[in-house]
Amino acid sequence: AAGVIQSPRHLIKEKRETATLKCYPIPRHDTVYWYQQGPGQDPQFLISFYEKMQSDKGSIPDRFSAQQFSDYHSELNMSSLELGDSALYFCASSSLQYNEQFFGPGTRLTVL
Amino acid sequence: QKEVEQNSGPLSVPEGAIASLNCTYSDRGSQSFFWYRQYSGKSPELIMSIYSNGDKEDGRFTAQLNKASQYVSLLIRDSQPSDSATYLCAVTNRDDKIIFGKGTRLHILP
Repeated sequence: AAGVIQSPRHLIKEKRETATLKCYPIPRHDTVYWYQQGPGQDPQFLISFYEKMQSDKGSIPDRFSAQQFSDYHSELNMSSLELGDSALYFCASSSLQYNEQFFGPGTRLTVL
Repeated sequence: QKEVEQNSGPLSVPEGAIASLNCTYSDRGSQSFFWYRQYSGKSPELIMSIYSNGDKEDGRFTAQLNKASQYVSLLIRDSQPSDSATYLCAVTNRDDKIIFGKGTRLHILP
């Protein structure tokens, strides 16, 4: 079965640079979620989109923005990167009918 | 009170025994309950969903839900070394937002 796709899988950036993470949800899933997970931490919810509109917002810094496109893929844009932004970033998707979230493999972001 | 609470562990269980993982939640309006398994450095993998009181079995896994006690558990029978991972309990609150617990580290002893 098709799963959530994330790219890139690994990303290394310098402080103050920008990064863009991409997420392709499971086909026919209309909701996308973004999470940040630091070492030894549980996933922290950042933001979600339903039918290309922002549906919920969590602990997403103002330096980050995201959107969902007409083909339902989503991008997380991160600017003015800080050392503390180093983490695993997961995207998950779900359908309106079933609220189970399925996670992608994640993007490991390292900020030097 | 935290919204979803789990014992952080580590929980050590001998191979072949039953591992019992517990989770409590604070929102009485919660309707959906999930267990995810996460290996170190990997993404959470959904292993069980449960929506009504009682037990739900899937292979070696059994999820148990007691809404009156605001308690959900996961039993793993015939534990294998490959079951060693962090298990995340997740609950949707009355706003249908999923809340994760901090996870229980399970270690299966060979």
